[in-house]
Amino acid sequence: EAGVTQFPSHSVIEKGQTVTLRCDPISGHDNLYWYRRVMGKEIKFLLHFVKESKQDESGMPNNRFLAERTGGTYSTLKVQPAELEDSGVYFCASSQELGRAYEQYFGPGTRLTVT
Amino acid sequence: GESVGLHLPTLSVQEGDNSIINCAYSNSASDYFIWYKQESGKGPQFIIDIRSNMDKRQGQRVTVLLNKTVKHLSLQIAATQPGDSAVYFCAENNGQNFVFGPGTRLSVLP
Repeated sequence: EAGVTQFPSHSVIEKGQTVTLRCDPISGHDNLYWYRRVMGKEIKFLLHFVKESKQDESGMPNNRFLAERTGGTYSTLKVQPAELEDSGVYFCASSQELGRAYEQYFGPGTRLTVT
Repeated sequence: GESVGLHLPTLSVQEGDNSIINCAYSNSASDYFIWYKQESGKGPQFIIDIRSNMDKRQGQRVTVLLNKTVKHLSLQIAATQPGDSAVYFCAENNGQNFVFGPGTRLSVLP
C-alpha cells in the first residue's frame, strides 16, 4: 500500500511569489493534517481535514495560507504571497480513525525555501 | 525531504547499550501520546503510542513510560543499533490536535 506522498519534495521561490504544495493521503484515510517545521523549531500543527471539511484550522499562521481538499482526497496548501519566514518543511499526515488523530502516517515533507 | 535541525538536544549511546529519551509535555488534559522517529530526508514515522490510562507500554525493543504526575514521557530503546540513529519526537494529543516536542537527536556510536 502506498504511503502518504507529497509534491514537490523541494521548492525554492522568491519572496512575493506563490507556491502550492500537494499531499496525497493514504487511500481511505478521511483525516488529513498539515504541519510545518521551521528551521530549528518544533513541528507545528496547521490544520486538520475530515474528508473535505476543515475540522480545525487553528494553526494556520495567517490568511496568506489557503488549504483545500476538494472531493476529500488529495489536499493542497497554497502560500500567497510567500514571505521569508514561511521557509521550512511542510509535512502532511493522514489517519483512518474519525474523530481522533490516532496513528498518523506522515509524508516525507516538502522543503520550502523562500529567498 | 528534510535534513534535521542543527540545534537539537543530542543523546549519544554506544551500540548495544540502552537509550532513554525524555520528553516533558505541557497539557495535563492530554490523554494520548505518540513517539515518532524521523530519519534524515524522511517524514516522522510512528514508533509507539500510549494512552493516559496506562503507565507503560512495550513494543519491539521499545518501551514508553508515562508519568502523569510530572507530565513526563520517556522512550526506552533496548540494545540500540546504528539504524536507530535519528531524531525522536514526542507528541501529545490535547483533544484537538497533536502538539510536538522539540525533538532529540540520537547518535549511535560504533
